Amino acid sequence: QVQLQESGPGLVKPSQTLSLTCTVSGGSISSGDYYWSWIRQPPGKGLEWIGYIYYSGSTYYNPSLKSRVTISVDTSKNQFSLKLSSVTAADTAVYYCAREGYGDYQVFDYWGQGTLVTVSS
Amino acid sequence: EIVLTQSPGTLSLSPGERATLSCRASQSVSSSYLAWYQQKPGQAPRLLIYGASSRATGIPDRFSGSGSGTDFTLTISRLEPEDFAVYYCQQYGSSPRFFGPGTKVDIK
Repeated sequence: QVQLQESGPGLVKPSQTLSLTCTVSGGSISSGDYYWSWIRQPPGKGLEWIGYIYYSGSTYYNPSLKSRVTISVDTSKNQFSLKLSSVTAADTAVYYCAREGYGDYQVFDYWGQGTLVTVSS
Repeated sequence: EIVLTQSPGTLSLSPGERATLSCRASQSVSSSYLAWYQQKPGQAPRLLIYGASSRATGIPDRFSGSGSGTDFTLTISRLEPEDFAVYYCQQYGSSPRFFGPGTKVDIK
């Protein structure tokens, strides 16, 4: 059973960089069968896809966040990470990591429990 | 980019009733690459339907999806108490991935 777990600071100051890590267990990021994504959800609002990374390191970001987002992967630790720079209060959200299938099954089938990140001074 | 709209915003029904949720895309969704997710308070979304009509592993058969092109529907044949939640559609035929705004199914 694949499990994903987000970790990182729950409070970030405005203008700083938000950093989160997702640890994957029960499956290998290096298998090459999946993309690994970050998705966020502001309190009381809908879901916004941030971007994904493949085990090789190739990435694709949501154009609306592209200038501020970096997603990286550490296959030796079976982890992938999110960095979001120059944060504002609008970046306050629950951040989820998720596994995304490939080809005809490119859906988010496993999710972490989510972690709330608040941007405030 | 493909924008998704969902209707109604809120659906108030009683257990045992049939729920019909709509998702409309701004352009045709290629290969019916449309998924539905269920989200309960404090939980991550759960995949219900992919490919517009295929149930994900472990999803009860009271959940069904249909549609193609720009119009898609999620039907819950008989609502169980655990089905009261928010439902999101999502297209994955093109990037960026985009979710609809959600339909809340609450108890009447």
